[in-house]
Amino acid sequence: GAVVSQHPSWVICKSGTSVKIECRSLDFQATTMFWYRQFPKQSLMLMATSNEGSKATYEQGVEKDKFLINHASLTLSTLTVTSAHPEDSSFYICSATHRGRGNQPQHFGDGTRLSIL
Amino acid sequence: TQLLEQSPQFLSIQEGENLTVYCNSSSVFSSLQWYRQEPGEGPVLLVTVVTGGEVKKLKRLTFQFGDARKDSSLHITAAQPGDTGLYLCAAFAGGTSYGKLTFGQGTILTVHP
Repeated sequence: GAVVSQHPSWVICKSGTSVKIECRSLDFQATTMFWYRQFPKQSLMLMATSNEGSKATYEQGVEKDKFLINHASLTLSTLTVTSAHPEDSSFYICSATHRGRGNQPQHFGDGTRLSIL
Repeated sequence: TQLLEQSPQFLSIQEGENLTVYCNSSSVFSSLQWYRQEPGEGPVLLVTVVTGGEVKKLKRLTFQFGDARKDSSLHITAAQPGDTGLYLCAAFAGGTSYGKLTFGQGTILTVHP
């Protein structure tokens, strides 16, 4: 089946640091990738939709300058949390899908636990 | 925005008990998905229901899609500690939001041995 790899799985860093999270589709071409944020014991909240070769579309309330998304190839999207602060601490999950007829299934990564001290 | 109302939010039961999780909406969906997520991991797709009235079984899990395709339920028979996790229903947002999933609030299930 389709495999999505997310790296790193866990990162701890000081306040003010910028952190980059990678999302790779290992065995298929991901024309679209989604980035989610999840707080403890809550559901997934969509942050942005990233299409290969174009600018990401951010959900309402998500700061695009804070959460930089790049989707330069069909197998890699990155999320950079710029100048991270403790309130950015969360579980970040990506998913990937490929363009096709109708809605295509999303394949999820295993998430990145971000802790800002 | 199409909302999925999931209930209950928390469920704590003893091993061997049965349980049902509900996912309701005022919108009609072409399909609905159920996921299970364990701490520190991404959600894993359990099933997709497509046809109104459809019932799918996955071992002790029974999934049903409402006749009007606005609601769904997940029933677990004889729950086991290994069933513990966050259960999420989700549906494609539709319209111009092609490919985007809308998630319910989730149900945290704890099965005690």
